[in-house]
Amino acid sequence: GAVVSQHPSRVICKSGTSVKIECRSLDFQATTMFWYRQFPKKSLMLMATSNEGSKATYEQGVEKDKFLINHASLTLSTLTVTSAHPEDSSFYICSASDVDRGYFGPGTRLTVT
Amino acid sequence: GENVEQHPSTLSVQEGDSAVIKCTYSDSASNYFPWYKQELGKGPQLIIDIRSNVGEKKDQRIAVTLNKTAKHFSLHITETQPEDSAVYFCAASTGGAQKLVFGQGTRLTINP
Repeated sequence: GAVVSQHPSRVICKSGTSVKIECRSLDFQATTMFWYRQFPKKSLMLMATSNEGSKATYEQGVEKDKFLINHASLTLSTLTVTSAHPEDSSFYICSASDVDRGYFGPGTRLTVT
Repeated sequence: GENVEQHPSTLSVQEGDSAVIKCTYSDSASNYFPWYKQELGKGPQLIIDIRSNVGEKKDQRIAVTLNKTAKHFSLHITETQPEDSAVYFCAASTGGAQKLVFGQGTRLTINP
């Protein structure tokens, strides 16, 4: 299957700082990228849908000013958690889709202290 | 909007036996149904998917069935092995590149 990478895999930051997470599709061009958040032992919660060159579409309840998404190219999307707080600690997972199906990255564990 | 229900939430089977996980969906416009396997601390891995123009698809020990009339689909794993232990998620969407709505997940444990 297709390969999607995420960087970093783990990050610890102090409250009030910003953290950027990168999502790359390594062997295909992704028409659409998605960002999910997953709490322990829970399902994946879609945060936003991102298309290259256009603004992301955020799900209800997700603060667009707090979770900044930039889809710079067909192989790269970034999620920036701004002014992070302990409640933002979570597992963030991206997904990249070609025309047929979606492939998930390995996830990024964010811990805000 | 779409709603996907998944059962059971936990499933324990003896190695070599079969495991079945079931999902129902609400939106008749959904036409793409993937299944993902997620191991601890990792992202979900696509293991099989089915589109609404077929009723069954098989890949070695894994099969998925779809009943469009009843709006449910199931994952079947035969000859289970310890490495099949993981959390499995079903999902539904209106297309392969469209946003997915996930089920709640099933924690599958294979007992040696």
